[in-house]
Amino acid sequence: NAGVMQNPRHLVRRRGQEARLRCSPMKGHSHVYWYRQLPEEGLKFMVYLQKENIIDESGMPKERFSAEFPKEGPSILRIQQVVRGDSAAYFCASSPDSVNSPLHFGNGTRLTVT
Amino acid sequence: AQTVTQSQPEMSVQEAETVTLSCTYDTSESDYYLFWYKQPPSRQMILVIRQEAYKQQNATENRFSVNFQKAAKSFSLKISDSQLGDAAMYFCAYRSLSSGNTPLVFGKGTRLSVIA
Repeated sequence: NAGVMQNPRHLVRRRGQEARLRCSPMKGHSHVYWYRQLPEEGLKFMVYLQKENIIDESGMPKERFSAEFPKEGPSILRIQQVVRGDSAAYFCASSPDSVNSPLHFGNGTRLTVT
Repeated sequence: AQTVTQSQPEMSVQEAETVTLSCTYDTSESDYYLFWYKQPPSRQMILVIRQEAYKQQNATENRFSVNFQKAAKSFSLKISDSQLGDAAMYFCAYRSLSSGNTPLVFGKGTRLSVIA
């Protein structure tokens, strides 16, 4: 059973471009969480999705950021018109329906905006 | 909103010695989980140990154990017989159980160095 897969591992974008980060949850997991980690900081919650639905997006900036988790395919975190402050590591985690199951994390995507 | 505080940005320990990392949290809930995650330079988030709030007994996983003080809202991690491979960032995290699946809330982390 493969773990949570995130790609790309590294992504470089120029200011103003779009960044698309992908996350394939573990098999059987229908809950996906996106976190952002700034240098020397902890992980900050951005958005929580369950298949085709956004459950909680309280940590996601209102502008330029969006997330989806379609019925088929990976979850996508999309950042439009990136700025230097978006440079960070973005982590995805997944969990099954049981609230007793821990979150499993991917290895993250490091986004660098030049 | 729940918050998690790790008051030690950096700690160091001699190889084979014991070190304790501190974590406090703030919540008004009674049902929740607490976790310690390890993040080595590879960036991977590795679950070290978890504690259910309803359990009085402290969780233990090999060389890792916790001191869970619910009334004090304290959740420290003790690493015994420290090894070079233990060097990493350690994050304390909280997860509410009040309404189904909820996200983790993380502290800012403690960077642990292990001295040979």
